Amino acid sequence: GQNIDQPTEMTATEGAIVQINCTYQTSGFNGLFWYQQHAGEAPTFLSYNVLDGLEEKGRFSSFLSRSKGYSYLLLKELQMKDSASYLCAVRGYGGATNKLIFGTGTLLAVQP
Amino acid sequence: DTEVTQTPKHLVMGMTNKKSLKCEQHMGHRAMYWYKQKAKKPPELMFVYSYEKLSINESVPSRFSPECPNSSLLNLHLHALQPEDSALYLCASSQRLANNEQFFGPGTRLTVL
Repeated sequence: GQNIDQPTEMTATEGAIVQINCTYQTSGFNGLFWYQQHAGEAPTFLSYNVLDGLEEKGRFSSFLSRSKGYSYLLLKELQMKDSASYLCAVRGYGGATNKLIFGTGTLLAVQP
Repeated sequence: DTEVTQTPKHLVMGMTNKKSLKCEQHMGHRAMYWYKQKAKKPPELMFVYSYEKLSINESVPSRFSPECPNSSLLNLHLHALQPEDSALYLCASSQRLANNEQFFGPGTRLTVL
């Protein structure tokens, strides 16, 4: 079966660092994605990991451990505009299908 | 042009109506997707087209009928929908099926009365 788990909600303070965790159990693995989605808007791509380790992109970093079925998204120097839902998605089949299976999302609230 | 556009933004329809959702991209992407997203839920894949051919149908009821008339356009024809079909319908595209990043459109908010 397919199972992707994330915390439902998180709260953090402006300027701080927050880590959003994602664990997955899928039939096959070919990449893990993080998307940001503001309320009422489309998801926007943040990061992609297919090999173990850390990928850094500005204030955002994403980590993957395939043996543990685990990833996290790290957001640094939080800004109010970072308040959004963060979706973890796994590509569960070979790259030819590019089928994404989304987790339920983590709603992050950044407070002053 | 680096965006996916969708029309209409909002649609209200009765259960006996026939309507269509439209999606367009001019990034030269050859893979296009339809997702359905209910409130506070993640997007769920419905259909995938690759080079204008249907690649994946996630066991979607036949009252939803996709169409890809050319490489830039993707339609979703709706007929005899149910109130539980009310949701945000998202279109996405990627360069090819094997590419990593999917670009999402703003979605069409559908309400079925």
